[in-house]
This record gives sequence, C-alpha cells and structure tokens, in this order.
Amino acid sequence: DQQVKQNSPSLSVQEGRISILNCDYTNSMFDYFLWYKKYPAEGPTFLISISSIKDKNEDGRFTVFLNKSAKHLSLHIVPSQPGDSAVYFCAASADSGGGADGLTFGKGTHLIIQP
Amino acid sequence: EAQVTQNPRYLITVTGKKLTVTCSQNMNHEYMSWYRQDPGLGLRQIYYSMNVEVTDKGDVPEGYKVSRKEKRNFPLILESPSPNQTSLYFCASSTGPPLNTEAFFGQGTRLTVV
Repeated sequence: DQQVKQNSPSLSVQEGRISILNCDYTNSMFDYFLWYKKYPAEGPTFLISISSIKDKNEDGRFTVFLNKSAKHLSLHIVPSQPGDSAVYFCAASADSGGGADGLTFGKGTHLIIQP
Repeated sequence: EAQVTQNPRYLITVTGKKLTVTCSQNMNHEYMSWYRQDPGLGLRQIYYSMNVEVTDKGDVPEGYKVSRKEKRNFPLILESPSPNQTSLYFCASSTGPPLNTEAFFGQGTRLTVV
C-alpha cells in the first residue's frame, strides 16, 4: 500500500521548457511535503518543501504546488536546465506527536532534460 | 563542511556473515535514519533514532538492528544477511521533528549478499 505515489517513472523535457513532476498521496495525516533530487552515485539532496497550511512555495526556478483536496502536489522547474537531469523523490511527513522521523517516499521520477 | 558519512560505499558479502555499515554526521543532529532504495520501490525507512539511546522501527525493519550510543553515530547491523537484503542503503540525519525534516543523506552503501 503505497501512501506516496509518483506515477511517472520518467519524464523527458526540452531544455528551457517547464518540467512538471507530479506526486499523489493517500494519507490525510500528511502535513509536510518535500522534494529531493538524486544524482547517480550520490545520496538524495533536499530541494524544496511545503507545509499543508500553504498551497504554493517558490524558490528560484523551483515551485511546489499543493492541492490538499485532491491530495496532489507538483514540482515545477522553470526554465529546465541540463543539470536538472536527475531522479526526483516526493516525500511526505505526518506530525505523529512523538517527533518521529517519518518520511515516506515515492518511487521517484527520472527527469531527463534534452538539449 | 556539513556531511553524513557512510562506510563502506560498496560491500559484497556472503549469506549469514554479520556486517555493520557505519554512519556518522557532524551537524549535531538529533534525528538519524536508515533507508534502503530498491528498483521500483523508492526509498523505504528501516529504522530511525530520535536521540541517543532512542531508536524505533521504520517500515522495513526485519533483519536489521541499529544502535545509537553517541549522537553522531548510527550504525546499521545485519546479524545474518540474506540475498533479499541486497540493496542500496542511505543514512540520513535531520535537525528535528516532522515539521523540520529536511534530511541530509549520506552517499549510500551498495550491499550485495550472495
């Protein structure tokens, strides 16, 4: 039972265009969402996050949108650059009250930026 | 430089031979975790620790043990490895509770159990 779903295993986008990566979740207790970026042979690195009290968070070329009613979030990258080619993981967290590190990850989407 | 360091980076071992993967962080983080990454399954949490001497099971704890005797170290122990534990393992640390879970990850340990 996958609580965080990234239904596109891969996505190919032309350089300079917008990349949109999607993520759906099923657990209504999730209240904090994060995107991680992973290059081959490296650990994931934090990219951007959003709290459930917001519907948008922007950081430079990266914007995350959250639609709580649809249990859907998306990561927009504008404009896409060759260095953005990586695997992107969506992750979610619920305030369990116990302070646990309860990050639940999606399976990842491999973004390929074509010149 | 802030970092999470895992060792070894690559390991091939035989079924049943106990092994330990070390993890160390230099950011004075309270929270540390272990994840495994498998094709088609993404990252799944094995164990986590909220502080020294406080550990708990994640989503896939079977076959693993951890310890947290010091704040900076969080070793992952496989007492009797089996081939289904062949995977890519990541250690992570973070500053605190769920609303601040921007975790820093190590570079990964690729384990093969034959």
